[in-house]
Amino acid sequence: KNEVEQSPQNLTAQEGEFITINCSYSVGISALHWLQQHPGGGIVSLFMLSSGKKKHGRLIATINIQEKHSSLHITASHPRDSAVYICAVKRGSQGNLIFGKGTKLSVKP
Amino acid sequence: EPEVTQTPSHQVTQMGQEVILRCVPISNHLYFYWYRQILGQKVEFLVSFYNNEISEKSEIFDDQFSVERPDGSNFTLKIRSTKLEDSAMYFCASSDRLPTEQFFGPGTRLTVL
Repeated sequence: KNEVEQSPQNLTAQEGEFITINCSYSVGISALHWLQQHPGGGIVSLFMLSSGKKKHGRLIATINIQEKHSSLHITASHPRDSAVYICAVKRGSQGNLIFGKGTKLSVKP
Repeated sequence: EPEVTQTPSHQVTQMGQEVILRCVPISNHLYFYWYRQILGQKVEFLVSFYNNEISEKSEIFDDQFSVERPDGSNFTLKIRSTKLEDSAMYFCASSDRLPTEQFFGPGTRLTVL
């Protein structure tokens, strides 16, 4: 069983729609990361959070430690948001990340 | 804005050959990582490096792999005798402290023939 599960695997949305991507994990963590992987392969860090909620522009990330669940929301989605969104967790004092399989988002104009 | 750089962007090699993948982390960062992503699969941790030594490594990081920080700026991953299954995108990342975000390089695509 994967330690980090994401849903959905694929998501197609119309421009302007509100998008939610979910991440559940089964291990104790010290932090959770949301990353964006562009079609060319590059990875960009969007958020790192260990509790509560963070917002950056049209992106919002929340985490519920008790339920071992995090969500990434995109408001007013745009075709340039099309990418793979990856949830990754950091366990305890270890620095390495454990990755989910990613959610491929396609936003149509 | 400071960024992690990696060279080469694409490396093609014959099975059994040695390859060295190079990374230049962000200059004031102290923690360095290598990850790999086989095509169509999730990203996997290989190794982390701090204070000139390996701090953690995964099962993937066997005796064929080694890492080095030969000077104050470069961080290298060496694969001694490449196998077909080593074909993947290799990402370097760095962070300034342990519980902070990691900054990823653009990756090196390794193709083993």
